Amino acid sequence: GAGVSQTPSNKVTEKGKYVELRCDPISGHTALYWYRQSLGQGPEFLIYFQGTGAADDSGLPNDRFFAVRPEGSVSTLKIQRTERGDSAVYLCASSSGGRDGTEAFFGQGTRLTVV
Amino acid sequence: AQSVTQPDIHITVSEGASLELRCNYSYGATPYLFWYVQSPGQGLQLLLKYFSGDTLVQGIKGFEAEFKRSQSSFNLRKPSVHWSDAAEYFCAVGSLGKSTFGDGTTLTVKP
Repeated sequence: GAGVSQTPSNKVTEKGKYVELRCDPISGHTALYWYRQSLGQGPEFLIYFQGTGAADDSGLPNDRFFAVRPEGSVSTLKIQRTERGDSAVYLCASSSGGRDGTEAFFGQGTRLTVV
Repeated sequence: AQSVTQPDIHITVSEGASLELRCNYSYGATPYLFWYVQSPGQGLQLLLKYFSGDTLVQGIKGFEAEFKRSQSSFNLRKPSVHWSDAAEYFCAVGSLGKSTFGDGTTLTVKP
């Protein structure tokens, strides 16, 4: 597609459930990023992939969060045992390289609500 | 650790007036700096970026920003604001592949 696609656009889940959020990056982009944006705050870095491997996962808040990118394209962010505090907009971005300053293109996000 | 501060949570300007949004950063080396805009229901869109060289950078939609190392600032400016500029603006500093964002400034444009 022309841009970064994230599905679903909205997800409501019950506390304790497992969720998967999907990101389709721009074709050919090797770098992929996940951010989380809570209400009234800026995006917060979660994890960065270069190809299939996680180059930096220092932003994942705890071991309930996990992300994969098995073929170096689509990525899935997985959240186990969801908590109400996980409610946020999860943003995905991709860029043509992981070098500093390479422009990252953002998707419109998945709004996750944990009830 | 890198950090970004946007001191103004909300700014209101009249259409046609000039605009300056403030951004201060903390980073140990030469930073890579960005300004993004986020409109309701839209993804983050890059307005401009600074890596090196000329400290005054031009972006899309008539925006510009000036990097001032001595003040650790990267303020965003526009000479004449349009109603369509109403949105949330984020400043970010990037390194090692990831970016740290400020908490944003919401811009309201009065007719």
